[in-house]
Amino acid sequence: EDQVTQSPEALRLQEGESSSLNCSYTVSGLRGLFWYRQDPGKGPEFLFTLYSAGEEKEKERLKATLTKKESFLHITAPKPEDSATYLCAVAPYNAGNMLTFGGGTRLMVKP
Amino acid sequence: GAGVSQSPSNKVTEKGKDVELRCDPISGHTALYWYRQSLGQGLEFLIYFQGNSAPDKSGLPSDRFSAERTGGSVSTLTIQRTQQEDSAVYLCASSLREGGYEQYFGPGTRLTVT
Repeated sequence: EDQVTQSPEALRLQEGESSSLNCSYTVSGLRGLFWYRQDPGKGPEFLFTLYSAGEEKEKERLKATLTKKESFLHITAPKPEDSATYLCAVAPYNAGNMLTFGGGTRLMVKP
Repeated sequence: GAGVSQSPSNKVTEKGKDVELRCDPISGHTALYWYRQSLGQGLEFLIYFQGNSAPDKSGLPSDRFSAERTGGSVSTLTIQRTQQEDSAVYLCASSLREGGYEQYFGPGTRLTVT
């Protein structure tokens, strides 16, 4: 069974305090791994797609990396506006076109 | 350009009533997905449409749930005889094509069954 586990569930950081969010996955074959940001009361906002181990993507203060078992979302010098829930999802080869989502990490950045 | 839009943004209904939720995907996107997000739970896949192919209904939780997509564009999710456990945010997403490509989500419809 395909599974996605995100840790920690919640993370409090001071502004400027860099950290990483983890996404561990178990799939029979990975078509792609996706990171989304979700603000309260809104739909998930697409951030990155990673397709193969060793791949990295960057956007402003965010950098996503991928290995064969997990992905990390590194946040460098975060600002309060980075506060949101970050969702990880996988698209397995054997699951049609659905995404399997993790439970998310709720990030709070204090000024 | 315009993103995925959903209506209504909020819906309160009485137990046992039917509801319809609407999704307008991004123009030119051939794939359309419905997900459900319940309090304290992750996003749960419901149904997927791709072009004129038969929809993938493998995520629908019961036969009270159905969806259709007209003209390859607008989609309607219908829940019959609503139950309190149907209360959730229903999210629609679209993607340019099938197969692991990024999905873009709408703002969701918050359904409350009283």
